[in-house]
Amino acid sequence: DSGVTQTPKHLITATGQRVTLRCSPRSGDLSVYWYQQSLDQGLQFLIQYYNGEERAKGNILERFSAQQFPDLHSELNLSSLELGDSALYFCASARGQGVGGYTFGSGTRLTVV
Amino acid sequence: AQSVSQHNHHVILSEAASLELGCNYSYGGTVNLFWYVQYPGQHLQLLLKYFSGDPLVKGIKGFEAEFIKSKFSFNLRKPSVQWSDTAEYFCAVNAGQGGSEKLVFGKGTKLTVNP
Repeated sequence: DSGVTQTPKHLITATGQRVTLRCSPRSGDLSVYWYQQSLDQGLQFLIQYYNGEERAKGNILERFSAQQFPDLHSELNLSSLELGDSALYFCASARGQGVGGYTFGSGTRLTVV
Repeated sequence: AQSVSQHNHHVILSEAASLELGCNYSYGGTVNLFWYVQYPGQHLQLLLKYFSGDPLVKGIKGFEAEFIKSKFSFNLRKPSVQWSDTAEYFCAVNAGQGGSEKLVFGKGTKLTVNP
């Protein structure tokens, strides 16, 4: 157990639907990062939050959004889902701003049918 | 923009063989370098990291990596692999202090160790 908790572990949904993935960072960590892992693209950085504020944005689609709440947990919202959104979504957290590396959660496997 | 290249997509070894996985990065400034491992069905775990100092870094489970600045490389090595090392290995980089803390990952190398 890495201390980073992601729920749910698996999610199967239909095209066009909307889902919310949740991440609780390790105790004391202020930064949360979201990554998408797919076979063809590898690990792609989506977005980072630091202490409630958006810090950096990567290859995140407009259909996707995220936020970090006052208790530091984060949610990644994926809407108008397409088959190509099927992937593993990882959350990671870091004590500060992540220069020293992250701790990853176990991921949410999203399958869009 | 930073990028990371891992040359080997899939490496197959027998137990006790030596391992070297290549990693090259593209970034002109100060970098921090990492190797992560992902065992089947599990999350990414940090194997080792390099920030500065001795370019030969020792990590967990007998792994080590050497930073060669002139070659922009950070290859992962292990003298004698075990079946339990079967996993996917990811090299990652972020800019040094003051730069972007975003980790950029390579596409990974899948290692299969046959007993």
